[in-house]
Amino acid sequence: QVQLVQSGAEVKKPGASVKVSCKASGYTFTSYDINWVRQATGQGLEWMGWMNPNSGNTGYAQKFQGRVTMTRNTSISTAYMELSSLRSEDTAVYYCARVDIYGPGAFDIWGQGTMVTVSS
Amino acid sequence: EIVMTQSPATLSVSPGERATLSCRASQSVSSNLAWYQQKPGQAPRLLIYGASTRATGIPARFSGSGSGTEFTLTISSLQSEDFAVYYCQQYNNWPQYTFGQGTKLEIK
Repeated sequence: QVQLVQSGAEVKKPGASVKVSCKASGYTFTSYDINWVRQATGQGLEWMGWMNPNSGNTGYAQKFQGRVTMTRNTSISTAYMELSSLRSEDTAVYYCARVDIYGPGAFDIWGQGTMVTVSS
Repeated sequence: EIVMTQSPATLSVSPGERATLSCRASQSVSSNLAWYQQKPGQAPRLLIYGASTRATGIPARFSGSGSGTEFTLTISSLQSEDFAVYYCQQYNNWPQYTFGQGTKLEIK
């Protein structure tokens, strides 16, 4: 079935970087953009950015410009989100979600989420 | 940036009754509006896209309406599994997206 499976929970120290993976299966990886959304505990959804797996083109929310990098490995249908210079406020669940590259469209399939904890 | 505002923040409704949730955009998003349901410990699930089209497998008791800047999600007869947090999202400004802050639907 169509699914996105994310990597496991991470614990990082302030100032470090984290790289979360999102493996796609059940569909053509290059036909759907991958977006990243995060959610702090008890808070709402915050969109971080998108990546076109076909071209590698990316776009980031202004808040994360300079700190986030989205990449992919098409040979294993996997997208990655790396966030650097971590601070305590980055503690959150990070989700990947897909949307048709020919958009505009909604996020129809989501990963299960990856908990990232930033603590000294 | 398009700002999405949901109301109310919390809605208390009895099972079997109707629930009406609102979402307002700071500028027109045409019909490029989606609704998601999120239960504790789970990822969001797509309910409605194109402001009024139910996603695959979504029961008919869920309906969406509106266009431009004003949108509504209606749940016609609440079931126990419908108590959750609901988010609206605009994708008119694709590939830049914004979510509302959410409405928590709780049992009265």
